[in-house]
Amino acid sequence: DIVMTQGALPNPVPSGESASITCQSSKSLLHSNGKTYLNWYLQRPGQSPQLLIYWMSTRASGVSDRFSGSGSGTDFTLKISSVEAEDVGVYYCQQFLEYPLTFGSGTKLEIK
Amino acid sequence: EVQLVESGGGLVQPGASLKLSCVASGFTFSDYWMSWVRQTPGKTMEWIGDIKYDGSYTNYAPSLKNRFTISRDNAKSTLYLQMSNVRSEDTATYYCTRQGDYPVKGFAYWGQGTLVTVSS
Repeated sequence: DIVMTQGALPNPVPSGESASITCQSSKSLLHSNGKTYLNWYLQRPGQSPQLLIYWMSTRASGVSDRFSGSGSGTDFTLKISSVEAEDVGVYYCQQFLEYPLTFGSGTKLEIK
Repeated sequence: EVQLVESGGGLVQPGASLKLSCVASGFTFSDYWMSWVRQTPGKTMEWIGDIKYDGSYTNYAPSLKNRFTISRDNAKSTLYLQMSNVRSEDTATYYCTRQGDYPVKGFAYWGQGTLVTVSS
């Protein structure tokens, strides 16, 4: 199985500051088609997860441009510029390259 | 509007069986692969498996393959998860999910989840 390892945030993050969440995969998620099979989700308190980013760097419909995804084949970053109260929650990375699909353990974001 | 509504969760004893359902609406159910994902009380997310749009093929997480079965009834726009010989570690919220439309590659749609608690 591909293991996804997420880093922690130095919570709480001051409102208006930027925050970067890291994720590392045990195998390259770069497919021969040139796409990187890495997604990011946000689960706000009391809600179901929502898709933020797919193909490592493409924002899902309706997602603020304050969210951006980047990375290489095995190391990924979700950057949130100018964090706001609505960004509070747990962020998960997930690989979609091969079965079984696997998630990271989650990174909690708190705002000060 | 895409809607996924899970049901069937509750308190169940270890060793028992349970069947979860997910009723889909707002899209042509028979056109999409569907998946189940669960989240433990400690917030760990685990993909359980998925099923092809016509029900002819399934994939499972290896650790769950022998006890969990995914099926669907396209006439009823309903996805199922049959759980057998449940254990305390199966305690989780179970989500029904659907991928986005091309080119979106990810679980763009989630139900509200149904909580399964395994305890005697």
